[in-house]
Amino acid sequence: QITLKESGPTLVKPTQSLTLTCSFSGFSISNSGEGVGWIRQPPGKALEWLAVVYWDNDKRYSPSLGTRLAITKDTSKNQVVLTMTNMHPVDTATYYCAHSPYDGYTKYFDYWGQGTLVAVSS
Amino acid sequence: DIQLTQSPSSLSASVGDRVTITCRASETIYTYLNWYQQKPGEAPKLLIYAASSLHSGVPSRFSGSGSGTDFTLTISSLQPEDFATYYCQQSYYTPLFSFGPGTSVDVK
Repeated sequence: QITLKESGPTLVKPTQSLTLTCSFSGFSISNSGEGVGWIRQPPGKALEWLAVVYWDNDKRYSPSLGTRLAITKDTSKNQVVLTMTNMHPVDTATYYCAHSPYDGYTKYFDYWGQGTLVAVSS
Repeated sequence: DIQLTQSPSSLSASVGDRVTITCRASETIYTYLNWYQQKPGEAPKLLIYAASSLHSGVPSRFSGSGSGTDFTLTISSLQPEDFATYYCQQSYYTPLFSFGPGTSVDVK
């Protein structure tokens, strides 16, 4: 049974950095084909993919945010950490982490955390 | 960057209706297309991956079809628990993943 849970601050100030941790169980990101991604959703708006990291340390970022994002994995702790720098009020959103398997052909997000709402305000 | 569009943006339907949602990509994405369902206050759930493969545990009334640039999600007989927003997502082009704008299905 795969489960994921996001943790981090609920409020950050403009220009500060945000660090979110995804803690997961039911798989090991050191195993071939395993990955974890981050997706966010501003209130009332659509989903936006942010970043993903795979078992082989392949990391991909959304081009529109790429320079502000960093994703790392800690295999021993079963955690993936997302850091976003220079936060703005428009970055207020629910942030989700999700399991992303690679089945040899395609990739998708099959199990999601409950999400964590992050507000950016002074 | 590849663009995904969904139509309609919203629709009203009744229980038992057959519902069809379309997703169109600006360039070919072969069958690298996934569908998600999201209810208010909940995380999205994967319904369909690789255009037509049903995710484990998803009811068989959901089906996906298409390839290239045009894709369809069909709910054969709408159930009360199916009122939600549906998103398509591509996993072929950079950005590696991108989502469509969503289609809201509500009660007629």
